[in-house]
Amino acid sequence: GAGVSQSPSNKVTEKGKDVELRCDPISGHTALYWYRQRLGQGLEFLIYFQGNSAPDKSGLPSDRFSAERTGESVSTLTIQRTQQEDSAVYLCASSFDYGQEVYNEQFFGPGTRLTVL
Amino acid sequence: AQTVTQSQPEMSVQEAETVTLSCTYDTSENNYYLFWYKQPPSRQMILVIRQEAYKQQNATENRFSVNFQKAAKSFSLKISDSQLGDTAMYFCAFMKHVGNEKLTFGTGTRLTIIP
Repeated sequence: GAGVSQSPSNKVTEKGKDVELRCDPISGHTALYWYRQRLGQGLEFLIYFQGNSAPDKSGLPSDRFSAERTGESVSTLTIQRTQQEDSAVYLCASSFDYGQEVYNEQFFGPGTRLTVL
Repeated sequence: AQTVTQSQPEMSVQEAETVTLSCTYDTSENNYYLFWYKQPPSRQMILVIRQEAYKQQNATENRFSVNFQKAAKSFSLKISDSQLGDTAMYFCAFMKHVGNEKLTFGTGTRLTIIP
C-alpha cells in the first residue's frame, strides 16, 4: 500500500513569505507527527495529532509555526513570515493506534526540503 | 526530558567488515523504547532495529544487532558484514513506553562503507 507522502519535495522561498507544507499519512493511521531536521542535526519534534484529541504543540519553536489536520487525513504545516533559520527538511510520520500498552511504529515520509533565501 | 547523544559524527569502514556505532541517552523513565534509524540520501527514515527497555535480551535483525546496557544508558549498533548499501546517516532515538509518543533523536553518525 501507499506510504506517507509529502509535498512539495522541495520549496524555495524568500524571507518573510508564508509557506504551507503538506502531509498525507497512511490510510487508517490516527496519529500524525511533524519533525524538523536542520542541516547536520537529528530530527526535532514539532507537533503531534492523535485522532480528535487536542494536538501536542509543545515542539513548535515560535508562534510563526502552526499545523492543522482534517480528521484523520491530510495535515498542513504552515510557517508564516519565514526566516533563514527555518531552512530545514520537514518530515512527517504517521502511526496506527493499537493502544497505550503496545508499540506503534512511526512511518516516515520523504520530507520537504525548505530553503529560505 | 530525554536526551540522546551520538558522539561519532562520521565513521567509515571497509566493505564486509564490522562496525559499531555508539549512542548514550539520559532519562528518568524506567520503561521505554530505543531505536536505530537509517537515513540514506533519499531522506527516507528507515527503522533498522528496536529495543524494549524491559527486555534484557539484545535485539537482532539479520546483520544488525545492538548492545543495550540499561544501567549505563548505552545503546550501540553493530553492523556485521557491512555492505555498500549500508552507507547512510544513522540516528539513535528514544521513545517513552506509551501507545503514541514523540521520538527524541540524536544528532546522527554518517557511515560510509568503502568498496
